[in-house]
Amino acid sequence: NAGVTQTPKFQVLKTGQSMTLQCAQDMNHNSMYWYRQDPGMGLRLIYYSASEGTTDKGEVPNGYNVSRLNKREFSLRLESAAPSQTSVYFCASKPGGAKPEAFFGQGTRLTVV
Amino acid sequence: AQSVAQPEDQVNVAEGNPLTVKCTYSVSGNPYLFWYVQYPNRGLQFLLKYITGDNLVKGSYGFEAEFNKSQTSFHLKKPSALVSDSALYFCAVRDPSGSARQLTFGSGTQLTVLP
Repeated sequence: NAGVTQTPKFQVLKTGQSMTLQCAQDMNHNSMYWYRQDPGMGLRLIYYSASEGTTDKGEVPNGYNVSRLNKREFSLRLESAAPSQTSVYFCASKPGGAKPEAFFGQGTRLTVV
Repeated sequence: AQSVAQPEDQVNVAEGNPLTVKCTYSVSGNPYLFWYVQYPNRGLQFLLKYITGDNLVKGSYGFEAEFNKSQTSFHLKKPSALVSDSALYFCAVRDPSGSARQLTFGSGTQLTVLP
């Protein structure tokens, strides 16, 4: 079982460039999330999708857009990258009901120079 | 708004000794509480959860956590630490009655088990 798969694993961008981080899960989960992890700040929610066709802003959505392409895929787009977006990005998915814990991908380490 | 506090950035413990990683939370309703572990260059792995019932919950790798409603705490414990337990630990909370239904994470505690 692949679980949650993120691509790419590493990326270096120049300021102003755009890119899309891809995330796919094969667990038939309804909810998917994008977090960023910065030293000393834990994980902060960027956007989430409670179900296919819906997306909502999290704690730090500025500078990002998302697309829930289908039930499996949830992409994160940086339209014009800034050095402040240098971070490690994690995608997660969550089933409902009796198993409320989230499952995480291995992360994308993004550096904006 | 829900929040989580992990008051210690770093915890050091000798191998074989008991360990505790502290977590306190704030949420308006009855919380769902979680512990995750992150090894270097890896994603977060689920350790254990409290939803309802017994205040002492047991999880993976010999870890357990105690839910204390009056102190709004959910401390992670292990009776005998291993060097391989060295990692970054995150506490998280979710208010199942909230409209957002997302996890809120603490800032993380780096656990180092010394041989």
